Amino acid sequence: AQSVAQPEDQVNVAEGNPLTVKCTYSVSGNPYLFWYVQYPNRGLQFLLKYITGDNLVKGSYGFEAEFNKSQTSFHLKKPSALVSDSALYFCAVRVFSGGYNKLIFGAGTRLAVHP
Amino acid sequence: NAGVTQTPKFQVLKTGQSMTLQCAQDMNHEYMSWYRQDPGMGLRLIHYSVGAGITDQGEVPNGYNVSRSTTEDFPLRLLSAAPSQTSVYFCASSYLGLAYDNEQFFGPGTRLTVL
Repeated sequence: AQSVAQPEDQVNVAEGNPLTVKCTYSVSGNPYLFWYVQYPNRGLQFLLKYITGDNLVKGSYGFEAEFNKSQTSFHLKKPSALVSDSALYFCAVRVFSGGYNKLIFGAGTRLAVHP
Repeated sequence: NAGVTQTPKFQVLKTGQSMTLQCAQDMNHEYMSWYRQDPGMGLRLIHYSVGAGITDQGEVPNGYNVSRSTTEDFPLRLLSAAPSQTSVYFCASSYLGLAYDNEQFFGPGTRLTVL
């Protein structure tokens, strides 16, 4: 079955430290991978995507993600965390099923950045 | 552009009542979808539509109906609400096309409680 896993329910980081939010996937064929962020009481916002090309993808708000095909991972990273980065982060993979594209989401990881 | 709008923001229903959650987008997106968000389960696809007059089921369609009479609107109907349908509901839209990255745009959500 095609799926996405986010192994950590919560990640705690001190402000100024680097952060990593983990994501692994299981899909047939080449994966199209996404990261979305959800701030409190808001809808999801697109952060970045990997379709093809460079394994290191840069996105909004200083975030980047590294695609690793051998480890089937797409971890989200940021060199220096801000308190304002505290939010719920979702990894997603696009799958082609039933004739159309659909997104499968992970369960989400809550990022808490402490001053 | 208003983007994706949803109404109402909050709703409390009694078991057995019916209601419609409204969703509209002004970006001329062909693809629209409904997700429900439950703690620890990420977002799960309820129904989706690839254009006016075309809808299909997602992962968790039971208890929900949809229709798509125009490109802009994609209402979600609960015919007989059950406590298991207590959740936060998100509507999303995107361009349709296998060659595109299909970044989805999300509405602000509707928080539904069924007593």
